[in-house]
Amino acid sequence: EIVLTQSPATLSLSPGERATLSCRASQSVSSYLAWYQQKPGQAPRLLIYDASNRATGIPARFSGSGSGTDFTLTISSLEPEDFAVYYCQQRSNWLVTFGPGTKVDIK
Amino acid sequence: QVQLQQWGAGLLKPSETLSLTCAVYGGSFSGYYWSWIRQPPGKGLEWIGEINHSGSTNYNPSLKSRVTISVDTSKNQFSLKLSSVTAADTAVYYCARGKIAVAGTGVRSWFDPWGQGTLVTVSS
Repeated sequence: EIVLTQSPATLSLSPGERATLSCRASQSVSSYLAWYQQKPGQAPRLLIYDASNRATGIPARFSGSGSGTDFTLTISSLEPEDFAVYYCQQRSNWLVTFGPGTKVDIK
Repeated sequence: QVQLQQWGAGLLKPSETLSLTCAVYGGSFSGYYWSWIRQPPGKGLEWIGEINHSGSTNYNPSLKSRVTISVDTSKNQFSLKLSSVTAADTAVYYCARGKIAVAGTGVRSWFDPWGQGTLVTVSS
């Protein structure tokens, strides 16, 4: 099973600041990693697939990068609606795993 | 635009069977894997398993012995049954459309869209 580790667990920032979230895989997942945003009481929403492709309707301030075992989700300038929990996800050997999440909260 | 709507019993007693159904509106049912994913209160996401339109399934090994996912293509619906539930199965359960593509160096995979979620509480 591939284990995903996310850091930091919590990121405290102000609106307008840049957010950099990390996801590390226990073994290579090539470039096949997805990112989701979840707000309280809501289902997760797909942000990024294949490490760097924005999903339909996702603002350009969200970007993803990385390959192999190290991946980054960057929010270039935080909007008030971006304060949420972010998860990474991968699939290997027909088993899907998610990272534990990074909470981005208001400083 | 594809929408997923789910329903099922929200309160169970230990040893009972959890049963949820998810209906798919506005899109093709074939060409995707349809998943169930759960989230215990205050915790992260756990993939339960999936099914495609022809009935082929994949399950999380940690739950495989208790999980059955089925499909009704005539209604564009798929369902989850989880037997012998305990308090540890208390969670919000989501259905989701999964995109899977086997590539040369791995498996492309993501979930979009998701259902609204159903809180299932197991308590005596």
